[in-house]
Amino acid sequence: DIQMTQSPSTLSASVGDRVTITCRASQSISNWLAWYQQKPGKAPKLLIYKASSLETGVPSRFSGSASGTEFTLTISSLQPDDFATYYCQQYNSYWTFGQGTKVEIK
Amino acid sequence: QLQLQESGSGLVKPSQTLSLTCAVSGGSISSGGYSWSWIRQPPGKGLEWIGYIYHSGSTYYNPSLKSRVTISVDMSKNQFSLRLSSVTAADTAVYYCARGGIFGVVHWGQGTLVTVSS
Repeated sequence: DIQMTQSPSTLSASVGDRVTITCRASQSISNWLAWYQQKPGKAPKLLIYKASSLETGVPSRFSGSASGTEFTLTISSLQPDDFATYYCQQYNSYWTFGQGTKVEIK
Repeated sequence: QLQLQESGSGLVKPSQTLSLTCAVSGGSISSGGYSWSWIRQPPGKGLEWIGYIYHSGSTYYNPSLKSRVTISVDMSKNQFSLRLSSVTAADTAVYYCARGGIFGVVHWGQGTLVTVSS
């Protein structure tokens, strides 16, 4: 089984901050990684697929990158609508989600 | 616009079987290239993949749930279903159906809360 280790579990930040969330895969997933944003009571929303491709309609302040088995989601300038929980997901071999990162208001 | 809608019992007794159905509209399950998936989220916790099925009928399950899970598809009704047997309180969660592909999971159902309680 492929394990995804996501960090941090909670992140306190202010509007305008640059925010980085990391996911590490336990083995190669060939960049088959997605990032989702979830708000309370709602289904997750796809932000990034194939590690660095921006989903249509998602603001350009969101970006994804990869280095080996380490993947990063960056929000370049945090906006009020961005306070939410973020999950990574590998879909190279079945699916595995990271534990989630809650982005809170500082 | 593809839409998915979960339905089924919201309350299940311990040791019984949870059954949910996902109705798909705006697209056909029989079109290839996608997985038709179930994901769950216990209250206040993270997402857990349960399993998925392809239009061919091939199924893939989370190893931690495999012994209790069955996912099936009904092409005539354009829907797919989840059965989870021998449920306990730990199976209480919001259950989502979704369509997956090489671009990740774009389409999700709204989710349905299933509570396991006597």
